Order: sequence, then C-alpha cells, then structure tokens
Amino acid sequence: QSALTQPASVSGSPGQSITISCTGSSSDVGAYNYVSWYQQHPGKAPKLMIYDVSNRPSGVSNRFSASKSGNTASLTISGLQAEDEADYYCTSYTGSSPPWVFGGGTRLTVL
Amino acid sequence: EVQLVQSGGVLVQPGGSLRLSCAGSGFTFSRYWMSWVRQAPGKGLEWVANIKEDGSKQNYVDSVKGRFTISRDNAKNSLFLEMNSLRAEDTAVYYCTRAGIGDSSDYYFGYWGQGTLVTVSS
Repeated sequence: QSALTQPASVSGSPGQSITISCTGSSSDVGAYNYVSWYQQHPGKAPKLMIYDVSNRPSGVSNRFSASKSGNTASLTISGLQAEDEADYYCTSYTGSSPPWVFGGGTRLTVL
Repeated sequence: EVQLVQSGGVLVQPGGSLRLSCAGSGFTFSRYWMSWVRQAPGKGLEWVANIKEDGSKQNYVDSVKGRFTISRDNAKNSLFLEMNSLRAEDTAVYYCTRAGIGDSSDYYFGYWGQGTLVTVSS
C-alpha cells in the first residue's frame, strides 16, 4: 500500500477558506468510508478532526468539514483563524496490510 | 476523561531492545483495538501495529514484522510495544492510540497518547 497523496502546503488569510486534498486509490479511499483527518500542532500529539469521511467529533468547530469523491477525500476549513495553523494528515482504512495508510501531511499557514 | 499516558523517552543503541508502555484510563480498555503510530523527526505519521480487544490478533507494518511485538494487559489497562533489533530508521515519536471515540472500536484513531521519543543511535 502506498501513502495517500496530500499537498505539502497550503495557505490562506484569516477569514478565508482552504481545502486540502487527499488522493488514494480504489483499494483504500475509494473502497471504504473510513477516511479520517488529524490536526497536529508543533510538538503536540495529533488530534482527531473528522472521522468516517465527514463526521466531526464533539468539540471540533463546524468550520471544519470534509467529503469524498471517488479516490479523493477533501478537508475544508472555512473562516480561517490563526489557531488553525498546523499540520493536517488524512488516513484511510485499507482492509488489507497495512490496515491504515496516512497521507504525507499538509502544512497550513495562516497568512 | 479518556487518557493515554505513555512511558518516557529513551536513547538506545542500534541492535538494542526497548519496551514502550501506555496506560489507559477513563474508559473500558478491554473494549477497544489499540494501535501504535510513529512519526520520524520532521516526517509524517506511520501506522506501526495494532492489537484486538482481547489480544488474540495483532497486525504489523512490514518494516517492523519479526522485530516488534505489540501486546496488552487488560487487567492493568496497559498497552505495550516490545522493540528488538532496533535500527536508526526506527527513531521516531511513538504514539499510543485508541480506536474510535464511541462505545466500541471504530476505523479511526480517536484518542492519542502524548508520545514517546525513541532515539536509536550509537
């Protein structure tokens, strides 16, 4: 299984919206509705932001939304805030070995 | 409150061995699959291994098969990763994770420990 493909970096100004893509294959992202997204601030553990493609855990801002089309999943952050500046990782269940693959991560810079 | 508290970081020589531990609290530990996920310095996340609720099944990424062993002690709410024949490329922060955020395991990493830095160097 290959890693999922994410852009290395994205940026946006406060108040704007950005979208991070996560491209896999018909064996992972395209096969299962088990894509999740994680936010990681420097020196901190990752935090779950989205699960099962588009569900937000309690406590996660509704400015975070996500979707999937075919083999590509997307995370959208609207109304960008300074605190959103972080690394974002997608992952997908694969049903084979290894059972999970991660994207390479996307660094979000809030200008 | 769900908590996963990991043991402290360590420096180990190439070829050496190490056991990581993770203590869970605030949830019924025996109800959940548990995983280890690692992150090499300046790199992305990589799933390493997981273990079924009752410890009867384990899975590993190819790069650690035969060298790492994941185990758990449900009576002590603890998860372990025994690491042998360590290599420089195993240098990473290792995170203990729980599957899901609900009443049973799900297909995502719902909670994370604080991480343990493992440095393999002579």
